[in-house]
Amino acid sequence: AQSVTQPDIHITVSEGASLELRCNYSYGATPYLFWYVQSPGQGLQLLLKYFSGDTLVQGIKGFEAEFKRSQSSFNLRKPSVHWSDAAEYFCAVGAAAAGNKLTFGGGTRVLVKP
Amino acid sequence: DAMVIQNPRYQVTQFGKPVTLSCSQTLNHNVMYWYQQKSSQAPKLLFHYYDKDFNNEADTPDNFQSRRPNTSFCFLDIRSPGLGDAAMYLCATSREGAGGPSNEKLFFGSGTQLSVL
Repeated sequence: AQSVTQPDIHITVSEGASLELRCNYSYGATPYLFWYVQSPGQGLQLLLKYFSGDTLVQGIKGFEAEFKRSQSSFNLRKPSVHWSDAAEYFCAVGAAAAGNKLTFGGGTRVLVKP
Repeated sequence: DAMVIQNPRYQVTQFGKPVTLSCSQTLNHNVMYWYQQKSSQAPKLLFHYYDKDFNNEADTPDNFQSRRPNTSFCFLDIRSPGLGDAAMYLCATSREGAGGPSNEKLFFGSGTQLSVL
């Protein structure tokens, strides 16, 4: 079965600084990888996804993520954080062998300092 | 315009008193999902419908049931809520299975926060 680990529970970053959120997955074949963002009291919104091809994926809101098979990672990055980026971020993995269902990581809460 | 609508936004129920949460969608998507999200935890899939086909997760308690009377609506029934069932319940939809190569994504509602007294 696939699994996802987000090692950082909380990250605090200053506005304008860069942000990187870590995600490690476990799956025997090539996974389908996703990053979702959840603002307080809201549902989840898809930021970006990786299925195949270019391992550097661009998403909405200035986010990007890089798939590294050798490290089983799919880290999310943003060069310059805005106060509105304060939210919880979830990495997720899907797999055809699992009926295309998503498994979410535990999430990383991002706090943005002025 | 909201595409996945969950009502109510907040629901309070008593221990053991049945409660129903509702979800509607205007996207005409085939798949509807119910996730349970406890505080500071990842969303956990309870079950999903592909059209009329119900798919229960192996570890979803029998206390949780679901109904999908038509394409647009899906209900989550908790027959005898316990204190441990207090959580945010998220409804989501996708045109096809969202975790696979069909390039689909999940559309989430804003959730219903359930409190059990």
